[in-house]
Amino acid sequence: EPEVTQTPSHQVTQMGQEVILRCVPISNHLYFYWYRQILGQKVEFLVSFYNNEISEKSEIFDDKFSVERPDGSNFTLKIRSTKLEDSAMYFCASSDSFSPYGYTFGSGTRLTVV
Amino acid sequence: GEDVEQSLFLSVREGDSSVINCTYTDSSSTYLYWYKQEPGAGLQLLTYIFSNMDMKQDQRLTVLLNKKDKHLSLRIADTQTGDSAIYFCAEFGANAGKSTFGDGTTLTVKP
Repeated sequence: EPEVTQTPSHQVTQMGQEVILRCVPISNHLYFYWYRQILGQKVEFLVSFYNNEISEKSEIFDDKFSVERPDGSNFTLKIRSTKLEDSAMYFCASSDSFSPYGYTFGSGTRLTVV
Repeated sequence: GEDVEQSLFLSVREGDSSVINCTYTDSSSTYLYWYKQEPGAGLQLLTYIFSNMDMKQDQRLTVLLNKKDKHLSLRIADTQTGDSAIYFCAEFGANAGKSTFGDGTTLTVKP
């Protein structure tokens, strides 16, 4: 069964550093998403991406965040100037249509900022 | 904005049925989902229901949707200790183009 793959599974970074979280969506999917889950809290929407541009973003997704689809297969989330409160599980998802019959999440990257 | 509410905890005995409830506010919701999350793990899609359906059954899982009351429930028959996990209700709103998750219900199954 097709999967959304996220790497690394766990990333530790020092406060102030930049991190890039990587995702490989399902190959024929067109819509891509990043969600965040701070430990013990609910899963929160960050951003959606379609046709090489951001289609929607939440208030969490400020200027320190950016997304990119650099090569037609990867979908990345960059976080600049990381803070302790950026520590969370970050989930990538992809779907094949706007009404997501095939809405699939990756297994997540646990980001720890120290 | 959109909101999804769930009770936070449910405890049942092995072999009993579990019913996890969820309410949502977005009337444009097209799909409603139930995800399972085990400790330290990712989100596992258990089942989903399209908003024009009332019920969906998948082996031990039964999803009931009351669209008028915006109420969704997940029934797990013959609950096992391996079902212990956090269960998230989520809705996908066509207007918003994103999913909104509930806080998650921690299901504890006692032997």
